[in-house]
Amino acid sequence: AQSVTQPDIHITVSEGASLELRCNYSYGATPYLFWYVQSPGQGLQLLLKYFSGDTLVQGIKGFEAEFKRSQSSFNLRKPSVHWSDAAEYFCAVGTNAGNNRKLIWGLGTSLAVNP
Amino acid sequence: DAGVTQSPTHLIKTRGQQVTLRCSPKSGHDTVSWYQQALGQGPQFIFQYYEEEERQRGNFPDRFSGHQFPNYSSELNVNALLLGDSALYLCASSFRDSGANVLTFGAGSRLTVL
Repeated sequence: AQSVTQPDIHITVSEGASLELRCNYSYGATPYLFWYVQSPGQGLQLLLKYFSGDTLVQGIKGFEAEFKRSQSSFNLRKPSVHWSDAAEYFCAVGTNAGNNRKLIWGLGTSLAVNP
Repeated sequence: DAGVTQSPTHLIKTRGQQVTLRCSPKSGHDTVSWYQQALGQGPQFIFQYYEEEERQRGNFPDRFSGHQFPNYSSELNVNALLLGDSALYLCASSFRDSGANVLTFGAGSRLTVL
C-alpha cells in the first residue's frame, strides 16, 4: 500500500539557517512526488513536484528537493530560511495509474523560525 | 484568474444535521477532488469528480456524497453529522488530461460539529 512518512513532527530553526525536511514514501511503481506548504488558515500551496528526469527539482520560494529512489526519499531543502517560511509542510505521493489519481499525504512537519 | 474558491469558510453544525460545502474550480480545470483534514493531520482523500461522475472514492462512509455540475463546480454533502466530522474540508481542482495529478487547492471550509 502507498504511504508517506514525515519523521519530524515539529522543527525549529533560526532565521538564515539551512533547512531539510524529510519525507519517505512507500510505493510499488515510479511515484509522482509533491511538497505542499500550508500557512495558518490557508489552503495548500504547491512548492515543487517530481515526475521524472532530473532528481533535483527546484520549486518556489527558494526550495528544492531531491528524489533518491534507493532510499525512497524526497527531502525538501532550503539554504537560508526566512521568518515567513514558518508553516506546515506536507509531502505527498500520487499516481497516474489508470483512474487512480488521488494523493496520499504525510502527517506534515510544522516549521517554526526563530528570529 | 481566480483560483479555487470554497464556501462557506466557516460553519458550525450540531450532531445529526446535514451540511453542504461548495467549490468552484480554477479556470480551465475540469476535475474536482475533496479532502478532509482533521486537526494536526494530513489531508485524507474523500472522492474525485470528473465529467459529473464520481471517479474515485477514499475510505469514507456513504454519509459523504458529492456532485459535480456542468460548469465543473462541485458540492460535498455530509449527512447525519458526527463530532468526528469536525475538520477542514479542502477542495482541489486539476485538469485531467494534464497527466499527473497536480492539484490547486482552495482555502477550505472549516466545519465544527457540536
